[in-house]
Amino acid sequence: QITLKESGPTLVKPTQTLTLTCTFSGFSLSTSGVGVGWIRQPPGKALEWLALIYWDDDKRYSPSLKSRLTITKDTSKNQVVLTMTNMDPVDTATYYCAQIYGGMDVWGQGTTVTVSS
Amino acid sequence: QSVLTQPPSASGTPGQRVTISCSGSSSNIGSNTVNWYQQLPGTAPKLLIYSNNQRPSGVPDRFSGSKSGTSASLAISGLQSEDEADYYCAAWDDSLNVRVFGGGTKLTVL
Repeated sequence: QITLKESGPTLVKPTQTLTLTCTFSGFSLSTSGVGVGWIRQPPGKALEWLALIYWDDDKRYSPSLKSRLTITKDTSKNQVVLTMTNMDPVDTATYYCAQIYGGMDVWGQGTTVTVSS
Repeated sequence: QSVLTQPPSASGTPGQRVTISCSGSSSNIGSNTVNWYQQLPGTAPKLLIYSNNQRPSGVPDRFSGSKSGTSASLAISGLQSEDEADYYCAAWDDSLNVRVFGGGTKLTVL
């Protein structure tokens, strides 16, 4: 059974850097074709894809947020980490991680991050 | 402004068939497969359809997907009250080099 769980701070101040961790089980990020991505959803708004990292360390970022995002993986720990710099109140959202494989994906439950001073 | 365009709302009565459209371009739907997600209130999105028309295990066959050119559709037949949710389409975009979503469609069961 594939499971993913997001963790990180629930509250960050403007200009701070957000670090989120996705801890997963039931698959390996060293398996060919597997990727883990991050998606966010501001309150009452649509989903927005942020970043994706593949088994071979290929990384893809949302063009609009690329300068602020870094995605890394630790295969031995079954974790993917997303950092987002210079946080702003508009970045308040629920952040999800998801496993991507063979056209399908499995999502975590999400973690809510509020940006406020 | 979402890259993929969906109607903001849809509705139907129990037992009815409803369809939700998703319009894109040659760089996304036109050249890649489409996924559909169901998001019940207060929960994470759940994969409903992948690769245009495939259902993951456990998804009822009342849900079906199709794609033609740069548009895709999700059809729900035998509408039930528990189908009331937000529905999102998604596809890879070759120009942006990232997955893109539709703006979501809120389905109301009258």
